[in-house]
Amino acid sequence: DAGVTQSPTHLIKTRGQQVTLRCSPISGHKSVSWYQQVLGQGPQFIFQYYEKEERGRGNFPDRFSARQFPNYSSELNVNALLLGDSALYLCASSLVWDTEAFFGQGTRLTVV
Amino acid sequence: SQQGEEDPQALSIQEGENATMNCSYKTSINNLQWYRQNSGRGLVHLILIRSNEREKHSGRLRVTLDTSKKSSSLLITASRAADTASYFCATDLGVAAGNKLTFGGGTRVLVKP
Repeated sequence: DAGVTQSPTHLIKTRGQQVTLRCSPISGHKSVSWYQQVLGQGPQFIFQYYEKEERGRGNFPDRFSARQFPNYSSELNVNALLLGDSALYLCASSLVWDTEAFFGQGTRLTVV
Repeated sequence: SQQGEEDPQALSIQEGENATMNCSYKTSINNLQWYRQNSGRGLVHLILIRSNEREKHSGRLRVTLDTSKKSSSLLITASRAADTASYFCATDLGVAAGNKLTFGGGTRVLVKP
């Protein structure tokens, strides 16, 4: 069975640009969450979606948005990129919202 | 400080030895999960332990949970070089908190051959 897949794996953007990251959950999983991991720190929660509805939002500015599609895949959008947005962005899927969360390999975003 | 904090921050052991790391948290949890991360790649799920459980095992891994002390420990027995990684605990505070996972800063484990 395929695990959580994320694309792209690496991305370089310029300050002020916009970026879209994509995530495909494990088949059958209806919950998708997004996390930001800055080098040397633990992941920080950004969003959680379940059945296409937003269930939770972390302490991130409105420049961050996300959505979940009918096939449960998800996109994370970040507008007006700042240097501080450089991080590993991780997507996790779970069967429902309080079961084991399985992570993808992440998208490494570098803002220059 | 964060909801989940691992201790120690770093650990260096010889292959074959046991490695123990601890996680402390502040508020009541729904469940606690342990993850492994190699070299900044994706997180690998190790064990989920629920608030009404005290101990769980998976292969060479043993996780304990003490809700009265708000702490958990991860024991890796007979460590191997391949166990070299960062280990994170993550707490799920339940539906009221959106079931988001709150991670600590991690324990970096180096297993020397």
